[in-house]
Amino acid sequence: ETGVTQSPTHLIKTRGQQVTLRCSSQSGHNTVSWYQQALGQGPQFIFQYYREEENGRGNFPPRFSGLQFPNYSSELNVNALELDDSALYLCASSSRDLANYGYTFGSGTRLTVV
Amino acid sequence: GEDVEQSLFLSVREGDSSVINCTYTDSSSTYLYWYKQEPGAGLQLLTYIFSNMDMKQDQRLTVLLNKKDKHLSLRIADTQTGDSAIYFCAETFGSARQLTFGSGTQLTVLP
Repeated sequence: ETGVTQSPTHLIKTRGQQVTLRCSSQSGHNTVSWYQQALGQGPQFIFQYYREEENGRGNFPPRFSGLQFPNYSSELNVNALELDDSALYLCASSSRDLANYGYTFGSGTRLTVV
Repeated sequence: GEDVEQSLFLSVREGDSSVINCTYTDSSSTYLYWYKQEPGAGLQLLTYIFSNMDMKQDQRLTVLLNKKDKHLSLRIADTQTGDSAIYFCAETFGSARQLTFGSGTQLTVLP
């Protein structure tokens, strides 16, 4: 059983640029959630995808967008990057078939905006 | 809105027990979770408890839930240096059952 994999592991971008982060779900999981973790903080929910549609969204502006593909992998896109977007971005997969809705997290992508 | 609070730091001696505390606000949370994060790594699920339970034990880990006070605790018995990490409690919230995390407790285990 493979876990959640994210790519790239580290990324440096310039303010105003666009970035795409990628996530492969754990085998058997059909739901993907994205979280932003700023330094010294707990993760904050960005959005969740289920059956290729956005299924819930946290308090993030529209320049944060995502996709889920038929194989349940996912992308997080951020446009017009700002310095405050510098953070660890975590992907978590889960399955609605699991009673406890358990989430498996990837190791994250560390994004630095300069 | 939802809010989860934790104390920021805890220091214990190797071999002692550690108790990490958390308070949450959403009384409708179905499950409550404890995650561990080591430096530079993602989140590792340690354990979870269903909201109709008072206690759950899993090897060295004991979770206590007081629903009346909305208080959750994680006890780690015989704490080892490998337990040094940041521990997050989290509750599920909203239609997507997204996780709401506390700010994390940095556990330092001294030799």
